Amino acid sequence: AIQLTQSPSSLSASVGDRVTITCRATQDINSALAWYQQKPGKAPKLLISDASSLQSGVPSRFSGSGFGTDFTLTVSSLQPEDFATYYCQQFISYPQRELSFGGGTRVEIK
Amino acid sequence: QLQLQESGPRLVRPSETLSLNCDVSDGSIDSSNYFWVWIRQPPEKGLEWIGSIYYTGNTYYNSSLKSRVSISIDLSKNQFSLTLSSVTAADTAVYFCASLLGGGYVDFWGQGILVAVSS
Repeated sequence: AIQLTQSPSSLSASVGDRVTITCRATQDINSALAWYQQKPGKAPKLLISDASSLQSGVPSRFSGSGFGTDFTLTVSSLQPEDFATYYCQQFISYPQRELSFGGGTRVEIK
Repeated sequence: QLQLQESGPRLVRPSETLSLNCDVSDGSIDSSNYFWVWIRQPPEKGLEWIGSIYYTGNTYYNSSLKSRVSISIDLSKNQFSLTLSSVTAADTAVYFCASLLGGGYVDFWGQGILVAVSS
């Protein structure tokens, strides 16, 4: 199964900071990657699909990039509501291949 | 937009079977656009895909759980279900049901249900 490694596992940042989270796959997954945001006690929320496609209603300060094995999620100017945990998820060749998630990156207030 | 709601026992004894249902509303479970998926999250840990089902009944499972998992679908009830057998404390988690767009990413989630495995 394809494994996803996110880094860092946690970070502290201030409102207004630019934040970048990386996700590395053990195999080439083209652009079959999604990013989710999860707040405590809530279900995750889809932010980005296909590595860089911003979902409707998601603020433009969120962006995704990458292809193959290396991907990034960037928040250009962190807002108070962005403090949360972020997960990447791969879906290459689904359903013939299994889905998997990264371990998560917790973004905390500095 | 789709609404999903999990239901089932919140406490399961070790070695017994965990059974959950997911009711789908504001949309049809026989849509060809969606797979229906179960995902779990142990306390303070990350997300784990358990498995998925298509309206045709085709199922896809996480290989690490495949020997213990079964997902079924009831088109007449607009509902799909999860059973996980021989549970241990390691199966204690919040279980989410969700809709998976054909491409493989989740667009709608249930609120989740915490199931504890304990004697």
